[in-house]
Amino acid sequence: DAGVTQSPTHLIKTRGQQVTLRCSPKSGHDTVSWYQQALGQGPQFIFQYYEEEERQRGNFPDRFSGHQFPNYSSELNVNALLLGDSALYLCASSLANRDNEQYFGPGTRLTVT
Amino acid sequence: DQQVKQNSPSLSVQEGRISILNCDYTNSMFDYFLWYKKYPAEGPTFLISISSIKDKNEDGRFTVFLNKSAKHLSLHIVPSQPGDSAVYFCAASADAGGTSYGKLTFGQGTILTVHP
Repeated sequence: DAGVTQSPTHLIKTRGQQVTLRCSPKSGHDTVSWYQQALGQGPQFIFQYYEEEERQRGNFPDRFSGHQFPNYSSELNVNALLLGDSALYLCASSLANRDNEQYFGPGTRLTVT
Repeated sequence: DQQVKQNSPSLSVQEGRISILNCDYTNSMFDYFLWYKKYPAEGPTFLISISSIKDKNEDGRFTVFLNKSAKHLSLHIVPSQPGDSAVYFCAASADAGGTSYGKLTFGQGTILTVHP
């Protein structure tokens, strides 16, 4: 039973650039949520995708956008990168009717220089 | 606005003893609470959860207690094992009916170290 997978593992970008992170949900899951975890902090909710639409959004600017594909995988896009965007980006998957029970991937470590 | 707080950044416990991790919340709309464990280079792993209609939930060595009037929950690990050493996060959501649309609010985490 494949768990949540994310790619890439690490990424280094320059200020102003754009980045795309990818996530494949746990087998059988149809919902994907994205979180940002800054160093020494807990994960912060960015948004959730279900049925290829953004279902709820946290307190993040429009520079953060996403997409969900028909196979339930998802992408997180961040435009105009800032130094403060450096963080661990976590993807979590769940079933739509039990989305409190989220299973997390290992994350993508993004460093913006 | 930190709605979920873990005020102890770290906790050190001897193997075999009890570990107690604490969490406070301010949002009275939260009605479902979870604990996650995180090892370095891995994503958080779900441990145990509790709905606001209960005050206690057990799963093996792990027990979560919820005090709604105090807006406080705690995770007890008995007996503690060296493999329990990790960062522990509490999280909360505002709808136990499974329609919170995935917004978990996390605390800052507590680093638990269990010494052999």
